[in-house]
Amino acid sequence: DQQVKQNSPSLSVQEGRISILNCDYTNSMFDYFLWYKKYPAEGPTFLISISSIKDKNEDGRFTVFLNKSAKHLSLHIVPSQPGDSAVYFCAASDQSGGSNYKLTFGKGTLLTVNP
Amino acid sequence: KAGVTQTPRYLIKTRGQQVTLSCSPISGHRSVSWYQQTPGQGLQFLFEYFSETQRNKGNFPGRFSGRQFSNSRSEMNVSTLELGDSALYLCASSWDRGGYTFGSGTRLTVV
Repeated sequence: DQQVKQNSPSLSVQEGRISILNCDYTNSMFDYFLWYKKYPAEGPTFLISISSIKDKNEDGRFTVFLNKSAKHLSLHIVPSQPGDSAVYFCAASDQSGGSNYKLTFGKGTLLTVNP
Repeated sequence: KAGVTQTPRYLIKTRGQQVTLSCSPISGHRSVSWYQQTPGQGLQFLFEYFSETQRNKGNFPGRFSGRQFSNSRSEMNVSTLELGDSALYLCASSWDRGGYTFGSGTRLTVV
């Protein structure tokens, strides 16, 4: 049972335009969400996170939106740059228990930004 | 400060052998988690250690085990290797719930 789903395996956008990566989750206990970016042969790099008490978090060109009722989050990258080309992973955790450091990941979306 | 260090970077093993992977977390981080990444399954949680105790475990067979030392360094062991164990094994360290930092991983190939 896949609790975190990234339904688009790939996305291609033009440089300077907006990239929107989507993520859906099924576990209503998830209360903390993260996005990671991964290049081949490297570990994932943390991009941005959001707690369930918020519906938006911004960091430079990256904004994450959370819609709790729809169990949906999205990552917006504006403007997109060729260096943003990578696999993006959505991850979630249930932190209400106090000591849960387990992350549940989606399968990733390959973003290609064309010059 | 130094990041999460995983050794070795690459390994080739034969079916039936066992393997030990090492992870040195960021200084001050007491939580170390391990993940397996395969093309079909994405990143899957193996286990998490905090202060030498396993706190969480994923859905992997008992052939996968780990431990954490008093200096927070962690090792992961896989016994009786199978072809399907070929994957990128990632270690992440954290000092709180949000600060997960990953290493570059160990690429294990089982032949």
